[in-house]
Amino acid sequence: SQTIHQWPATLVQPVGSPLSLECTVEGTSNPNLYWYRQAAGRGLQLLFYSVGIGQISSEVPQNLSASRPQDRQFILSSKKLLLSDSGFYLCAWEQGSTEAFFGQGTRLTVV
Amino acid sequence: QKEVEQDPGPLSVPEGAIVSLNCTYSNSAFQYFMWYRQYSRKGPELLMYTYSSGNKEDGRFTAQVDKSSKYISLFIRDSQPSDSATYLCAMSSILTGGGNKLTFGTGTQLKVEL
Repeated sequence: SQTIHQWPATLVQPVGSPLSLECTVEGTSNPNLYWYRQAAGRGLQLLFYSVGIGQISSEVPQNLSASRPQDRQFILSSKKLLLSDSGFYLCAWEQGSTEAFFGQGTRLTVV
Repeated sequence: QKEVEQDPGPLSVPEGAIVSLNCTYSNSAFQYFMWYRQYSRKGPELLMYTYSSGNKEDGRFTAQVDKSSKYISLFIRDSQPSDSATYLCAMSSILTGGGNKLTFGTGTQLKVEL
């Protein structure tokens, strides 16, 4: 069966520091991968998606970037965090259908 | 106007009640409709997935889609305290680069009380 791992679960970072969040999927190959952000009182918002290694598309221009160095690995990064980057970051995968499955998320607080 | 509207609640019901959760949408390009359950500080868990107008049943859960009215519902029968969570509706559209984008409602917080 397929599983998705995200880490860390919680992160507190100072303004201006770098960020790296990692997501890996097991039990499948060539999945579509997604990064969503959930802010308080708002629905989940799609940030980045990838349909293959090295292929990254951005939905919302922002202070973040994404990379997919391996088939089942998706990384969310920032060179310098802003206060507005705080939120709950969720990685998701799907393959050949629109049923998307989410990881357990990373709660990021920028202080 | 938001593409997807969902009443945030909170909704409080007694154990055993039938719960009705609803979303409306404005984008006719949405093709698939999903309901997710999210416990506090956890990732969303897929509950129901539908495509066509009509009803789909899975155990105590029934998903209903009315594309002509752009309205979807989730019914929970015999609600249990373990059903207490935030319920998110989500609708998919095709991304130009491949893949599918989910557009979410803000979620309805449900509490089932003993």
